[in-house]
Amino acid sequence: GDSVTQMEGPVTLSEEAFLTINCTYTATGYPSLFWYVQYPGEGLQLLLKATKADDKGSNKGFEATYRKETTSFHLEKGSVQVSDSAVYFCALSRSSGGSNYKLTFGKGTLLTVNP
Amino acid sequence: EPEVTQTPSHQVTQMGQEVILRCVPISNHLYFYWYRQILGQKVEFLVSFYNNEISEKSEIFDDQFSVERPDGSNFTLKIRSTKLEDSAMYFCASSDILNTEAFFGQGTRLTVV
Repeated sequence: GDSVTQMEGPVTLSEEAFLTINCTYTATGYPSLFWYVQYPGEGLQLLLKATKADDKGSNKGFEATYRKETTSFHLEKGSVQVSDSAVYFCALSRSSGGSNYKLTFGKGTLLTVNP
Repeated sequence: EPEVTQTPSHQVTQMGQEVILRCVPISNHLYFYWYRQILGQKVEFLVSFYNNEISEKSEIFDDQFSVERPDGSNFTLKIRSTKLEDSAMYFCASSDILNTEAFFGQGTRLTVV
């Protein structure tokens, strides 16, 4: 079945540091790939997505490139801020009729950014 | 900005009791979902709902669980005869007719004691 593996946390960085959170997936066919973010006390929010190989999703300074050859979708940001402190989830979705958003999630990575 | 709202934010129930988790999806959305996250584990798909019926469900979603859209605004998850292992964060989500993005609520933390 489908699965997503992301790097274990927690990750602690200083402000303005470079961030990478690794994500790899296993799925048949051509899934869409997502990063969701959960800020403290809030729900899951879509951060970025990519729907086909070599697509790059980007938002709020975060980027991730859909690499089919390595089955990866690593999240990167060049300079993190304290406000980026949150839990980050990698996820995939394969179209399944009327449930295109049946998401398979990774375990989540807690990011803490210190001033 | 429209949002998915879930109530309550935290519910404590005794083992064997029934609970109903409530969600108000975004008003023009047509697809509805429940997910759960047991502490320290992955967020898992439970069920999707469209056109007043279940469109897909996972192995987790057995006869203990049911979903309902009792009126034009609410979407509920009922868990009968709760067990300790049902303790988790339950997330509701909805998406519009284009089904291009799922919007999640802030979750209900269910604790079964």
